[in-house]
Amino acid sequence: AQTVTQSQPEMSVQEAETVTLSCTYDTSESDYYLFWYKQPPSRQMILVIRQEAYKQQNATENRFSVNFQKAAKSFSLKISDSQLGDAAMYFCAYAEKGSGSRLTFGEGTQLTVNP
Amino acid sequence: DGGITQSPKYLFRKEGQNVTLSCEQNLNHDAMYWYRQDPGQGLRLIYYSQIVNDFQKGDIAEGYSVSREKKESFPLTVTSAQKNPTAFYLCASSKWTQQLARYGYTFGSGTRLTVV
Repeated sequence: AQTVTQSQPEMSVQEAETVTLSCTYDTSESDYYLFWYKQPPSRQMILVIRQEAYKQQNATENRFSVNFQKAAKSFSLKISDSQLGDAAMYFCAYAEKGSGSRLTFGEGTQLTVNP
Repeated sequence: DGGITQSPKYLFRKEGQNVTLSCEQNLNHDAMYWYRQDPGQGLRLIYYSQIVNDFQKGDIAEGYSVSREKKESFPLTVTSAQKNPTAFYLCASSKWTQQLARYGYTFGSGTRLTVV
C-alpha cells in the first residue's frame, strides 16, 4: 500500500519569508499524481498545487512551488513571500493513475506565519 | 454555484446510538468519498463509491456504513459499533476516478461529531 509521510508536524515562518514543507511517499508505481492541500482554520480543504509524476518540470502556482524528486520519492512545497493568510494545516497527498484511484494523505504540517 | 454540502456542521451523539451524516453534491460528480480526520493522523478513508448502488470499504470502515441510492447523495452512518467516533468527518467528490488523479477532490466543509 502507498504511504505518505510528512515529518514536520509544525513549522513557522516570518511574514514575507520563504518556508519549505517536506513530504515523502512510498510507491512501486511509475506514473502517479501528487498534491498539496491547505486546510485553514475554517477546515475547508483547498487544493494548492498538483504534480504529475511523468513531468520533469516542477509545478508552480504563484507563490507556491514544488521540488519533485522522483528517484528520492520526495515532494516538498515551497511558499515564497509568506503571508498571514498562508497559516494553515498543509497536507501532502498521493494518487495512482487510473480508475479506482483514491487519494492517500500524509499526517499534515501545521504552518504558523508570524507577523 | 455547484458544490458539496455536508450537514449538520456539529453533531452530538449519545453512546450506543447510531447517527447519520449527510453529504450532497450538485457537481454531477460520479465518485464520492468519506474521510475521517483526527489530530496528528491526517485524513483516513472510510468508504468510497464510484457509481450509484456500489461502494467499497476504505482503510477504516469498521463501525461505519454508507449507501449510494442517488448520484448526488452519499450519507454516512456512524454505528454504535464504532468505538471512538468523536472526530471531524469530510466528504469529497470527483468527476470520475480517472480524473480524480488529474484534478484531485472537491471537499465539503465537514461535520464535527462528538460523543457525549
